[in-house]
Amino acid sequence: EAGVAQSPRYKIIEKRQSVAFWCNPISGHATLYWYQQILGQGPKLLIQFQNNGVVDDSQLPKDRFSAERLKGVDSTLKIQPAKLEDSAVYLCASSLDGAGLTQYFGPGTRLTVL
Amino acid sequence: AQSVTQLGSHVSVSEGALVLLRCNYSSSVPPYLFWYVQYPNQGLQLLLKYTSAATLVKGINGFEAEFKKSETSFHLTKPSAHMSDAAEYFCAVTEGAGSYQLTFGKGTKLSVIP
Repeated sequence: EAGVAQSPRYKIIEKRQSVAFWCNPISGHATLYWYQQILGQGPKLLIQFQNNGVVDDSQLPKDRFSAERLKGVDSTLKIQPAKLEDSAVYLCASSLDGAGLTQYFGPGTRLTVL
Repeated sequence: AQSVTQLGSHVSVSEGALVLLRCNYSSSVPPYLFWYVQYPNQGLQLLLKYTSAATLVKGINGFEAEFKKSETSFHLTKPSAHMSDAAEYFCAVTEGAGSYQLTFGKGTKLSVIP
């Protein structure tokens, strides 16, 4: 069974530029999560999708971050414009259903904002 | 809101020695508890989870954890450390039944000394 795929693995941009991350969850997983992991901290949930609907985006900085999940499968997370404090690893995870008791994580995208 | 405290951001043990990684949570309702492991440049992998069944939970790679409600703790142990156990370990908690959003601790980096 293929795992959660993410791309790119690394991205370096300058502040005020835009960036997008892509996630392909495990086939058949209805729930998809985006987390932000700042160096030295645990992951923090940004947004949770159930199929193509948003379940929770209360911690998503909506003035600069946006996310969508097309057709309930792949998802993209965008930052526009980026700030220095957005430097982090962005992790995508998926689970079979909304219970989410077992979340499967992708390898992450490491973003550096200069 | 839930919070998770992991005592010790960095723990070093000798190969073959006992591994003990501490996790305390704050919760007014019975939570679900998880331990994840993260190897360098990889996503998080579930080690084990407690979901209100047996209080002693066995996971992968010889790890286990015991849920102690009176101490609000869920410490992770392994009787004999192996070099391959060197990684970062995250404790996470949900609110319990009906809410499955994970709140992570800051992580403990485990080093294994040959």
